[in-house]
Amino acid sequence: GAVVSQHPSWVICKSGTSVKIECRSLDFQATTMFWYRQFPKQSLMLMATSNEGSKATYEQGVEKDKFLINHASLTLSTLTVTSAHPEDSSFYICSAAGAGREQFFGPGTRLTVL
Amino acid sequence: AQSVTQLGSHVSVSEGALVLLRCNYSSSVPPYLFWYVQYPNQGLQLLLKYTSAATLVKGINGFEAEFKKSETSFHLTKPSAHMSDAAEYFCAVSEPQGGGSYIPTFGRGTSLIVHP
Repeated sequence: GAVVSQHPSWVICKSGTSVKIECRSLDFQATTMFWYRQFPKQSLMLMATSNEGSKATYEQGVEKDKFLINHASLTLSTLTVTSAHPEDSSFYICSAAGAGREQFFGPGTRLTVL
Repeated sequence: AQSVTQLGSHVSVSEGALVLLRCNYSSSVPPYLFWYVQYPNQGLQLLLKYTSAATLVKGINGFEAEFKKSETSFHLTKPSAHMSDAAEYFCAVSEPQGGGSYIPTFGRGTSLIVHP
């Protein structure tokens, strides 16, 4: 299957700072990427759908000004958590859409806001 | 609208026993169905997918799933559990949204516990 990487794999930051997470499709071009948030022992919560060259589509209840998504190329999408607070601490996972509607997931980024 | 229900947040089996993880879906159009596995602190890996071809789908690691339209089910099975199968399993459905786009919906997940 296709390979998707995420960087960083974990990050600790102070409250009020911003954190950028990168999601890269390493061996294929992804016109669509998805960003999820996962709480411990829970399912994935879709935050937004990221399409290359256009604005991301955010799910209801997700603050687009707080979670900035940029999909500048067919292999890179970034999620920036702005003015992070402790309640933003979570496991963030990206995925890239395959041609058959399957998704190829990154390994996730553990964010801890102090 | 689409939805996925995974019955049982935890399933516990002995090593060598049959694994059965249940998934029921609702979809207004013929769906694409998926099973993913997540090991601790990792992303999800695709186990198998159904795309309206054969109703019995074989995946990696000896898993398979059968699409039953009359029961709107897509249960995941494996004849003999291995300790390394212990993980979180997610069923997902995908419907087209128009314009070639689609939105995936995941079930809440089932934690598979394998006892020696």
